[in-house]
Amino acid sequence: QQQVKQSPQSLIVQKGGISIINCAYENTAFDYFPWYQQFPGKGPALLIAIRPDVSEKKEGRFTISFNKSAKQFSLHIMDSQPGDSATYFCAASMGGYSTLTFGKGTMLLVSP
Amino acid sequence: EADIYQTPRYLVIGTGKKITLECSQTMGHDKMYWYQQDPGMELHLIHYSYGVNSTEKGDLSSESTVSRIRTEHFPLTLESARPSHTSQYLCASSEFGRGVEVGAFFGQGTRLTVV
Repeated sequence: QQQVKQSPQSLIVQKGGISIINCAYENTAFDYFPWYQQFPGKGPALLIAIRPDVSEKKEGRFTISFNKSAKQFSLHIMDSQPGDSATYFCAASMGGYSTLTFGKGTMLLVSP
Repeated sequence: EADIYQTPRYLVIGTGKKITLECSQTMGHDKMYWYQQDPGMELHLIHYSYGVNSTEKGDLSSESTVSRIRTEHFPLTLESARPSHTSQYLCASSEFGRGVEVGAFFGQGTRLTVV
C-alpha cells in the first residue's frame, strides 16, 4: 500500500517554463512534507519542505503548494533551467518517531 | 553541506562473499536509515535506527543486517552476496526531537555489483 502517490512519472519542460509535480497522501497524521532532488550518481538532497499549518512555501524558484483538505501537495519550479533536470521525490512523515515515506519519483528533463 | 559519508562508492564482488558497507555521519544525528535504490527508481527503506543499540527493519525485506554501536556509525552487512543484491545503497541521517523532523541528509551512495 503506497501512502504517498507521486505524478507524473516523467516530465519534459522547456527552458523557462514551469515544472509542476504533484503528490497525494492518505495518512492524515503526516505533518511534514519534504521534497528531495537527486542527480544521477548522487544521493537525494533536501530541496524544500512544508508543514500543514501553511498553504505555500517559496524558496527562490521552488514553491511548495499544500492543500490539507485535498491531502495533496505539489512542487512548482519556476523559470525551469536545464540544471534542474533531475529526479524529484516527495515524502511525508509523522514527525521524529516515524520514518519518511517517499513517492516513487519524477524524472524531470528541462530542454534547452 | 551535510556530512554523511559512505564507503566504498563502488564495489564489484563475487557471489558468496561477505561485505560491509560503511556509513558515518558527523552531525550527531540520532536517526539513521539505509535505502536501496535501482538507478532512477524509487527509494526502498531496508533498515533504520533511532539511536545507539536501536535497529529496525524497513518496508523492503532485505537479507542484510545492520548495527548501531556508535551514534555516528551505521554499517550494513551482507553475509553472502548474491547477484540479486546488485543495487545502489543509500545511507541517510536525520535529526529528531521535540517532534520536529529537519529532513534526511543522504550520503553519495554505494553502487554494489555482485557477479
